[in-house]
Amino acid sequence: SQTIHQWPATLVQPVGSPLSLECTVEGTSNPNLYWYRQAAGRGLQLLFYSVGIGQISSEVPQNLSASRPQDRQFILSSKKLLLSDSGFYLCAWSVWTSNEQFFGPGTRLTVL
Amino acid sequence: AQSVTQPDIHITVSEGASLELRCNYSYGATPYLFWYVQSPGQGLQLLLKYFSGDTLVQGIKGFEAEFKRSQSSFNLRKPSVHWSDAAEYFCAVAPMNRDDKIIFGKGTRLHILP
Repeated sequence: SQTIHQWPATLVQPVGSPLSLECTVEGTSNPNLYWYRQAAGRGLQLLFYSVGIGQISSEVPQNLSASRPQDRQFILSSKKLLLSDSGFYLCAWSVWTSNEQFFGPGTRLTVL
Repeated sequence: AQSVTQPDIHITVSEGASLELRCNYSYGATPYLFWYVQSPGQGLQLLLKYFSGDTLVQGIKGFEAEFKRSQSSFNLRKPSVHWSDAAEYFCAVAPMNRDDKIIFGKGTRLHILP
């Protein structure tokens, strides 16, 4: 069966520090991968998605970036965090872009 | 433009009462339809999905949803809620092609009174 992992589960970082969140999927090949952010009371915001290794599409211009160095690994990064980057970050995968998505447990990021 | 609307931000029901969460969508054709549930501090879990066929879809945890093409709706229902159903519920739609992505509604927070 397929599983999706995210780490760390929680993270507290100072403003201006770098960020690296990791997501890995097991039990499937060539998944579509997604990064979402949830700010309090604001629903899901799609940040990035990837249909293959090295292929990243950005949905929202910001100081975040994403990379997909391996088929089942998706990384969310920032060189300098802002207060507004605080939120709950969710990784998800799907078999194709319009099929159901399966979500990881999330990372709670607090920027102070 | 394609959109998903969940008109209720918060809903409060008593334990044992029936529940209906509303979802309306705007699409050029019949899309794929989904309902997800999110407990606090956790990821989203798929409750049910509609691709085609019977318009009444059964899901996990005793939930069901009915697709009504004429109303562009996909409302979620449960005949008797339990305290453990308190969570946030997201409706989502996706077009029937591989090139577009799922669009999520903004969610409805369900509160259960004892």
